[in-house]
Amino acid sequence: EIVMTQSPAALSVSPGESATLSCRASQSVSSNLAWYQQKRGQAPRLLISGSSTRATGIPARFSGSGSGTEFTLTISSLQSEDFAVYYCQQYNNWPGTFGQGTKVEIK
Amino acid sequence: EVDLVESGGGLIQPGGSLRLSCAVSGFTVSGNYMSWVRQAPGKGLECVSVIYSGGSTHYKDSVKGRFTISRDSSKNTLYLQMDSLRAEDTAVYYCARGPSPVTRWFDPWGQGTLVTVSS
Repeated sequence: EIVMTQSPAALSVSPGESATLSCRASQSVSSNLAWYQQKRGQAPRLLISGSSTRATGIPARFSGSGSGTEFTLTISSLQSEDFAVYYCQQYNNWPGTFGQGTKVEIK
Repeated sequence: EVDLVESGGGLIQPGGSLRLSCAVSGFTVSGNYMSWVRQAPGKGLECVSVIYSGGSTHYKDSVKGRFTISRDSSKNTLYLQMDSLRAEDTAVYYCARGPSPVTRWFDPWGQGTLVTVSS
C-alpha cells in the first residue's frame, strides 16, 4: 500500500496570506494525485486532480504541483472560507490512499 | 442537482450489525463506480469498499467477510451491510462516486453518517 504523508499537520495563516501544503508518497504515483478540502462537519470536496487540474468551480487561488513522490498545494490570498483540513489522495494504485490531512487554521 | 444522502448510522454493540444507505440523485448509482469511505475520530480517510458499475465489488482487507456493498437501481441507492462490527469500525462513513478507471478520484461525497461501536 502506498503511504501518503502530509506536512505540516497544522498551519496557522493570516487571512490574505498564502499557504503551502506538502504531500509525499512512499513510492512514485506519477501525477495521479488529488487534493480535497474538508470543512468542519462537512463532506470532503474535490479541489484538484491530476496533481494540478482544478475541479469545476474551484477558485484559481488553489493551485497544485508536483509529480512522482512530492506534491504541493498552494492557496494564495487565503479567504475565511479556506480554513479547513486538506487531504491528498494518490490514485496510482487503485482504489487509492489518503494522507492524514493538514489543518489550515486562522492565525 | 447532484446529491448523496447517507443514513443508518448509530450506536451499536461490538458484534452487532448495521446497514447504511446512500440515496443518490443527479446520476445513476448503477452507471457509476460507488464507494464507502470512512473517517475514524481524529484520523484520515480510508476507502473500505467499492462497487463497480458492472457489479463487481472490492473490500479493504480489514472489512472483508464482514461488510457487503450493494445497490438498488430502482431506488438509486447504495448500501453497506456491516456485520460483526468491532470498536475499530467506529467512524463517519461517507458514500462517494468513484473511483472509476477514468476518473480515479472520489467526487462527489455525501455528508456522512456516524457509526459508533461500543458496549
